[in-house]
Amino acid sequence: AQSVTQLDSQVPVFEEAPVELRCNYSSSVSVYLFWYVQYPNQGLQLLLKYLSGSTLVESINGFEAEFNKSQTSFHLRKPSVHISDTAEYFCAVGRSGNTPLVFGKGTRLSVIA
Amino acid sequence: GAGVSQSPSNKVTEKGKDVELRCDPISGHTALYWYRQSLGQGLEFLIYFQGNSAPDKSGLPSDRFSAERTGGSVSTLTIQRTQQEDSAVYLCASSFPYADTQYFGPGTRLTVL
Repeated sequence: AQSVTQLDSQVPVFEEAPVELRCNYSSSVSVYLFWYVQYPNQGLQLLLKYLSGSTLVESINGFEAEFNKSQTSFHLRKPSVHISDTAEYFCAVGRSGNTPLVFGKGTRLSVIA
Repeated sequence: GAGVSQSPSNKVTEKGKDVELRCDPISGHTALYWYRQSLGQGLEFLIYFQGNSAPDKSGLPSDRFSAERTGGSVSTLTIQRTQQEDSAVYLCASSFPYADTQYFGPGTRLTVL
């Protein structure tokens, strides 16, 4: 069985400050790892994913995440946040393509001006 | 192109009534997933369809929940004899065959009074 733990339910941060949203997973098999973002009153959108290869993955809007197998973590980081990054962020794991995802409970990021 | 669409966007029903929620996946996506997003529980997998294979129903919380997919495209999630604990946002996602990225619809917010 797989599980995902997002250690922080809410993270307030000032604009232009760095942020890290933590995600740990548990799985007995190799997994794919994802971060999805849900902006207010919108659906889930894929932010970035790790399938294999380089352990550092990046999104088009400045977020990055690093897969750490020994620590079973996939933390999301951004060096300087914007007001527009205010959203809920979900970490998820999947066994392979086309399998249901197991999600964490989400982290609400609030960027303060 | 068109994304995943769901209808209705909001549904308010009385306890004990049956409801049907509809999902139109992206054209060409043979995999279709239903998830439930509720307060305190995060996102939970409900059911998964892949092409003509038997669906994976392992996430359905009770026998009051069922889903079907007609013609390999549109899917309907049916909840019979609704209970207040069924109140949640029901999300549908679809993906290409054996692809890792799931595309989510905007969801149906179900409120059971």
